[in-house]
Amino acid sequence: QKEVEQDPGPLSVPEGAIVSLNCTYSNSAFQYFMWYRQYSRKGPELLMYTYSSGNKEDGRFTAQVDKSSKYISLFIRDSQPSDSATYLCAADSGYALNFGKGTSLLVTP
Amino acid sequence: GAGVSQSPSNKVTEKGKDVELRCDPISGHTALYWYRQRLGQGLEFLIYFQGNSAPDKSGLPSDRFSAERTGESVSTLTIQRTQQEDSAVYLCASSPQVTEAFFGQGTRLTVV
Repeated sequence: QKEVEQDPGPLSVPEGAIVSLNCTYSNSAFQYFMWYRQYSRKGPELLMYTYSSGNKEDGRFTAQVDKSSKYISLFIRDSQPSDSATYLCAADSGYALNFGKGTSLLVTP
Repeated sequence: GAGVSQSPSNKVTEKGKDVELRCDPISGHTALYWYRQRLGQGLEFLIYFQGNSAPDKSGLPSDRFSAERTGESVSTLTIQRTQQEDSAVYLCASSPQVTEAFFGQGTRLTVV
């Protein structure tokens, strides 16, 4: 399962910055896209879930899918130190989940 | 319980011993995944169960690894003759049909 690629980072930003996290995928059959957040020594928790192309917003978080370019993005506005975690993207063809390796994000006060 | 439950949360074992890890998925979830996560690394897919279909075992790293699932309930991951390279966090996730998956907190395995 190496159909989703993600830059591992680490990515360091100052508090209040807009963060952009990205993944690419190769399987055009993927229809469902997810972002997970994983704090140190914890299991991943589902952050955002989208179906097909388009945007989805939840508070400071916006998930974006562009199926034409096979590109998945997560934007975090007004980033906080508590957002420091590893962010994993995932795609699902309707059969099984495919995860990226995760991007480590550090938001500094 | 409301979430995916994994046990034990921590396991220390001697090299060469067998270990069994347990996952209790969310009730009604037909899909169940096992992943391995080494320190500082991403998720490594191990095995996937979907309903009564034959499991996808393509991620199991060697024949020392096996997993079973009884219907749509509990799953156990067994590692035989453990090696130090098996030290990792083993994560289980369950999913209703083909939508979002929910993870347990993992079992931290240390082989000494």
